[in-house]
Amino acid sequence: EIVLTQSPGTLSLSPGERATLSCRSSQSVRSNYLAWYQQKPGQAPRLFIYGASSRATGIPDRFSGSGSGTDFTLTISRLEPEDFGVYHCQQYGSLPWTFGQGTKVEIK
Amino acid sequence: EVQLVESGGGLVQPGESLRLSCAASGFTFSTDWMSWVRQAPGKGLEWVARIKEDGSEKTYVDSVKGRFTISRDNAKSSLYLQMNSLRVEDTAIYYCGRGGSWYWNLGQGTLVTVSS
Repeated sequence: EIVLTQSPGTLSLSPGERATLSCRSSQSVRSNYLAWYQQKPGQAPRLFIYGASSRATGIPDRFSGSGSGTDFTLTISRLEPEDFGVYHCQQYGSLPWTFGQGTKVEIK
Repeated sequence: EVQLVESGGGLVQPGESLRLSCAASGFTFSTDWMSWVRQAPGKGLEWVARIKEDGSEKTYVDSVKGRFTISRDNAKSSLYLQMNSLRVEDTAIYYCGRGGSWYWNLGQGTLVTVSS
């Protein structure tokens, strides 16, 4: 089973700042099959990125995904108030699909 | 607008059974893989099971194999999860997901609590 490790656990930033979230895999993720989700308290996770770098419908271009192999990054170029929440990465290259433990982006 | 509405959660004792349902709308249900994903209180997400468009292929995480059964009724645009021999560690919010790899959409979830 592939283990995904996200860092940092919590990111405290101000609106307008740049956020860099890391997702590292215990094995190479086949075909860069990696997704990112945002989750807010009491809500379901929402798909933001799939295929490591493709934005889902309606996701603003300040969000970008990158990486390959075992190292992946979600970058938010300029934080907006609505961007705060928990971000989860997920690999779907090898069964069982697995998720990271999440990175919380909070207001500083 | 895509809607996924889960139901059927509740409080049960270890060893008991529960059947979750997910009513889907806003997309062509019969042409999409569907999945169940869960989240234990204060924990991360965990993929549970997935089912192919026509129901011919089903895959499960090891921890639920032999106890959980995923199924679907395309005529009713509905997804199901039959959960037998429930354990305390199955306590979680269960989300219905559109997709068999990544999840285009996830419902609001239904809470399953297994406790004596």
